Amino acid sequence: KNEVEQSPQNLTAQEGEFITINCSYSVGISALHWLQQHPGGGIVSLFMLSSGKKKHGRLIATINIQEKHSSLHITASHPRDSAVYICAVRSVYSGGGADGLTFGKGTHLIIQP
Amino acid sequence: DAGITQSPRYKITETGRQVTLMCHQTWSHSYMFWYRQDLGHGLRLIYYSAAADITDKGEVPDGYVVSRSKTENFPLTLESATRSQTSVYFCASSELAPGLDEQFFGPGTRLTVL
Repeated sequence: KNEVEQSPQNLTAQEGEFITINCSYSVGISALHWLQQHPGGGIVSLFMLSSGKKKHGRLIATINIQEKHSSLHITASHPRDSAVYICAVRSVYSGGGADGLTFGKGTHLIIQP
Repeated sequence: DAGITQSPRYKITETGRQVTLMCHQTWSHSYMFWYRQDLGHGLRLIYYSAAADITDKGEVPDGYVVSRSKTENFPLTLESATRSQTSVYFCASSELAPGLDEQFFGPGTRLTVL
């Protein structure tokens, strides 16, 4: 079974700080997703990646397949970035099935003004 | 409006009652999913569907029933609600299988079973 661990579980930072959230997983994967869940509860997909690095605005996601590790970075953090960030992976053992995502428990980020 | 919607957004029911949570998407995505989110757990898959009339169990299917007679709708029924089914339920959809495409999530339904 693929285990997905996120760290830290909780993070409080000041506006403007550089933020890093980590995700580690235990088996080979075909893809990794980063999701954002706002205080109101809505979940949006930020990135889907299988190698290298992706950037969208102030958000950067990286993945190291050999080390089974991904990081989500936020540059110039802002209070509106306060949310729960969730990592999810699809195992290479899932085959063609649709049930392959395993989710981490999330990192609760608070950015103080 | 285009997107994925869930109804109701909030529901309080009693143990033993049948409850149906609705999910509707306007993109004609092939795949639809039901997840539950509980404190101390990541999102857990209840049921999924790869197309109309094709459904299959996820990680935590006991006590739930789904159907998918139309591509755009994927209702989730709790046949006889239990307190352990108190949770926030999210519906999601995607055009391709997980890992090949991002998933789009509905706003969630907060269900309380008394």
